[in-house]
Amino acid sequence: EAGVTQFPSHSVIEKGQTVTLRCDPISGHDNLYWYRRVMGKEIKFLLHFVKESKQDESGMPNNRFLAERTGGTYSTLKVQPAELEDSGVYFCASRGQSSYEQYFGPGTRLTVT
Amino acid sequence: AQSVTQLDSQVPVFEEAPVELRCNYSSSVSVYLFWYVQYPNQGLQLLLKYLSGSTLVKGINGFEAEFNKSQTSFHLRKPSVHISDTAEYFCAVAPGYSSASKIIFGSGTRLSIRP
Repeated sequence: EAGVTQFPSHSVIEKGQTVTLRCDPISGHDNLYWYRRVMGKEIKFLLHFVKESKQDESGMPNNRFLAERTGGTYSTLKVQPAELEDSGVYFCASRGQSSYEQYFGPGTRLTVT
Repeated sequence: AQSVTQLDSQVPVFEEAPVELRCNYSSSVSVYLFWYVQYPNQGLQLLLKYLSGSTLVKGINGFEAEFNKSQTSFHLRKPSVHISDTAEYFCAVAPGYSSASKIIFGSGTRLSIRP
């Protein structure tokens, strides 16, 4: 069984540009989460999808961040326009319906210069 | 609301020595507790979890943790570490009333093993 995959693994963009991160969850997992770790700080929750619906988006920092999960499969997280403080590692996780365990992807390291 | 405190940002130990990584949490409700590990250039991997039952939880790679409700702690231990245990370790909690809940992480502890 393939794990959670994220693309790209690393992205370097300039301030003001747009970046789109992609997450492919484990097949059949309805729950998809996005987390972010900014420079040596704790990993923080951004939002949670159940299928294509946003269940909890309380962690989204501001309206420059837009997450989608059309069709309830893969998800994208767009940052537009990117700011310096958006630099960090963005993790995606997925969870099956009857499980407590979230399976994490390898993360996307975003660097905004 | 829940919070997690990992008391040590870095822990250096010699190979084959025992190690304890400390974790304290606060919560007004019952919680699920987790330890995740991130090896260099890899994603987060679940090391062990406490949902209910026995307070001593055994995980992968010889690690174990003990849930202490009165001290609100969930310290991670290994009796003898190896070079391959070099990684960053994250303690985490989630509210125990819902499996759908987001996970709240501590700031991480970097474990470095000296030969």
